[in-house]
Amino acid sequence: ELKVEQNPLFLSMQEGKNYTIYCNYSTTSDRLYWYRQDPGKSLESLFVLLSNGAVKQEGRLMASLDTKARLSTLHITAAVHDLSATYFCAGPTPYNAGGTSYGKLTFGQGTILTVHP
Amino acid sequence: DTGVSQDPRHKITKRGQNVTFRCDPISEHNRLYWYRQTLGQGPEFLTYFQNEAQLEKSRLLSDRFSAERPKGSFSTLEIQRTEQGDSAMYLCASSLRQENTEAFFGQGTRLTVV
Repeated sequence: ELKVEQNPLFLSMQEGKNYTIYCNYSTTSDRLYWYRQDPGKSLESLFVLLSNGAVKQEGRLMASLDTKARLSTLHITAAVHDLSATYFCAGPTPYNAGGTSYGKLTFGQGTILTVHP
Repeated sequence: DTGVSQDPRHKITKRGQNVTFRCDPISEHNRLYWYRQTLGQGPEFLTYFQNEAQLEKSRLLSDRFSAERPKGSFSTLEIQRTEQGDSAMYLCASSLRQENTEAFFGQGTRLTVV
């Protein structure tokens, strides 16, 4: 059974600073997803990482995947207040009948990011 | 709007009442998923449909929960005899059947059982 662990769970950052959120997962997976969630809202897809060594960047966020280490990172560069949200990583989970779908996901606990002046 | 749509957005109900939520997936998506998210946690998988067939149910889905997708389009999630522990955000997601695709989530229905 896939287990996904994020750290830190709470992150308070000053604007302009850099930081990294880590996502470790327990079983082999060839892909990893990052989502953002604002309070009371649904999940917004940020990145889909499809292979070992994948790196994707969007604005101040950059995500990477190391399938051998079973580790994904979400790096925040020069944080701004608008990045305040909860960030989840998630990995695909096999169906009971076999096979894997990329809609049946196991999520980490989430990292609550607060960026303050 | 071509995204996943859920209705209602908020529902407050008394303990013991039945509630039903609706999800309209992205129109060409043949897979539909229900998740539950409690406060401070990540979403947890409940069940999924491929077209109209419900192919898997999580152990989290007790006998009081039932989900349908009668024509392979919209889906409903019903909770009978609600309990306070059912209070959560219920999220619906949809995807294509193909391998290299991702699931897109709706806005969710926040259920509060009082």
